Amino acid sequence: GESVGLHLPTLSVQEGDNSIINCAYSNSASDYFIWYKQESGKGPQFIIDIRSNMDKRQGQRVTVLLNKTVKHLSLQIAATQPGDSAVYFCAERPDSNYQLIWGAGTKLIIKP
Amino acid sequence: SQTIHQWPATLVQPVGSPLSLECTVEGTSNPNLYWYRQAAGRGLQLLFYSVGIGQISSEVPQNLSASRPQDRQFILSSKKLLLSDSGFYLCAWSRGGNYGYTFGSGTRLTVV
Repeated sequence: GESVGLHLPTLSVQEGDNSIINCAYSNSASDYFIWYKQESGKGPQFIIDIRSNMDKRQGQRVTVLLNKTVKHLSLQIAATQPGDSAVYFCAERPDSNYQLIWGAGTKLIIKP
Repeated sequence: SQTIHQWPATLVQPVGSPLSLECTVEGTSNPNLYWYRQAAGRGLQLLFYSVGIGQISSEVPQNLSASRPQDRQFILSSKKLLLSDSGFYLCAWSRGGNYGYTFGSGTRLTVV
């Protein structure tokens, strides 16, 4: 379900290093997953998605990995830059459901 | 291309005053529409969603209501605001199925 009342966990990464943000999803019937990036004061923006018939998908500097056995989703950001500082949300869509189920979010901080 | 407009960007309202936030979508028809609230440093809480004109589903009991008077217009209202209604309100639309959401830029509401 949605962890809307919890403070966001934080991940600090050195600029230039790779970042890995993890997400445990809740519904084994979910067949579509998305990562969003939310910068301060703005709405979340789509980064990358993956369907359950895949275990890996790559975008520009980002890779999403899906492990359905343990219901785990991760977002890897290569060569992290200051502009990557944001809160990252994972979301899942259970089959035949209109709404996305959102993860709690992870705040990514880039150290210079 | 599709666009979503949400206004105002910021709003300061006294306790007990009414509220009306508007969201419109362009470039698509029969979108699924959503209102979310986000407290500072927290995750996304789904308030309302709509799959068609006049069809509103409420996810949490609250002091707010939503209406969809036209296909691409979604309004969030309150007759009397409470201090606890303060937060960042986000409107979003989707096609449904295995597609993500597109969010508006958000409204920062402060009830004083």
